[in-house]
Amino acid sequence: AQKVTQAQTEISVVEKEDVTLDCVYETRDTTYYLFWYKQPPSGELVFLIRRNSFDEQNEISGRYSWNFQKSTSSFNFTITASQVVDSAVYFCALSGLSNDYKLSFGAGTTVTVRA
Amino acid sequence: NAGVTQTPKFQVLKTGQSMTLQCAQDMNHNSMYWYRQDPGMGLRLIYYSASEGTTDKGEVPNGYNVSRLNKREFSLRLESAAPSQTSVYFCASSEGFWDRVGSMTNTGELFFGEGSRLTVL
Repeated sequence: AQKVTQAQTEISVVEKEDVTLDCVYETRDTTYYLFWYKQPPSGELVFLIRRNSFDEQNEISGRYSWNFQKSTSSFNFTITASQVVDSAVYFCALSGLSNDYKLSFGAGTTVTVRA
Repeated sequence: NAGVTQTPKFQVLKTGQSMTLQCAQDMNHNSMYWYRQDPGMGLRLIYYSASEGTTDKGEVPNGYNVSRLNKREFSLRLESAAPSQTSVYFCASSEGFWDRVGSMTNTGELFFGEGSRLTVL
């Protein structure tokens, strides 16, 4: 079975601080995909990144960066120099062959950035 | 480009009433999904349709039925609503492709609708 754990329920930071969201996953698949989605207060779900299990390179996109470590089954997400607009719920998710590539979501981490 | 469209966006029901949530996508995606979102539980899959003409149960299918009307549309029906079905419902779609062994699969990347907030009293 696949499982995604986001241990942090809520994180509150002051603007310009860095914030790291942890994501740990379990899967028996050798090929799988990891995702991060953002859900701002308006409620829609916004795709942020997809990572193939074969590609362990870290990725940076503007103020966002992702650290994929297969050895520890983690796919952590860092927001650098946070802004109020980063306030949202962030979901980590996993898909793989054993689950017919259906997404399994973590419980989400609520990030609040205070001005 | 509308993407994934869900209706209605809000609905209040009394226990025992029935209703159907409608979902349509205009991206020519093969796979469609219904998730529910509850506080502290992330999104849980109710039903999915890997391709037109097929539907399968997800993690929490009890109390729901689905219909894949055509490639574009995937509806979710609550036959006899219960307070435990109070939730935010999301429809989603994804590209599917036929792999080398002839199975429909995809990467799992989902495109979501805006959500439907359902309250059952």
